[in-house]
Amino acid sequence: AQRVTQPEKLLSVFKGAPVELKCNYSYSGSPELFWYVQYSRQRLQLLLRHISRESIKGFTADLNKGETSFHLKKPFAQEEDSAMYYCALFSGGYNKLIFGAGTRLAVHP
Amino acid sequence: KAGVTQTPRYLIKTRGQQVTLSCSPISGHRSVSWYQQTPGQGLQFLFEYFSETQRNKGNFPGRFSGRQFSNSRSEMNVSTLELGDSALYLCASSMPGAGAYNEQFFGPGTRLTVL
Repeated sequence: AQRVTQPEKLLSVFKGAPVELKCNYSYSGSPELFWYVQYSRQRLQLLLRHISRESIKGFTADLNKGETSFHLKKPFAQEEDSAMYYCALFSGGYNKLIFGAGTRLAVHP
Repeated sequence: KAGVTQTPRYLIKTRGQQVTLSCSPISGHRSVSWYQQTPGQGLQFLFEYFSETQRNKGNFPGRFSGRQFSNSRSEMNVSTLELGDSALYLCASSMPGAGAYNEQFFGPGTRLTVL
């Protein structure tokens, strides 16, 4: 079965601390994975996709096929990073994404 | 460019009624996808339309249906509403591209409450 698991509902850190938001997936085939972010009172938006291998707002994510993981990392958290983060898997059907339950990141001053 | 718009933003209905939600994609986008977001089930894919054709469908009962018009605007309909249909319904649009997946841009959602 295709599935995305985000084990943490809430991750609370202090400003300047490293952040790692966990994402594990289940998919038979070559996965295409994404991180979406939703800031308070804003729309869901794409943060990054593994294919592009970019760093967006200091966040990076590496696909580890052996561990079936796609964890999101940032070395130094900022208060403006506080948001809801969703890991998503492209299921193979047209534009169909399978989302994880989401992790709320709270960065405290 | 204006973003994806969804109307209405909030809706209250009673059990057994039916409801129609509307989504206007970003200009030039021809694919529209719909998702249901609930606290219990999270974000779940409903269906996707491209050029007025449903290309993909999620695992929802037949009470959930949709359509797309020639201007790419899309509507989704839920008939015989149940309490469990209370959710935030998100619409996303994307440009057609070479692959089966193209970056989706989400609207603000329609909050449906079923009493």
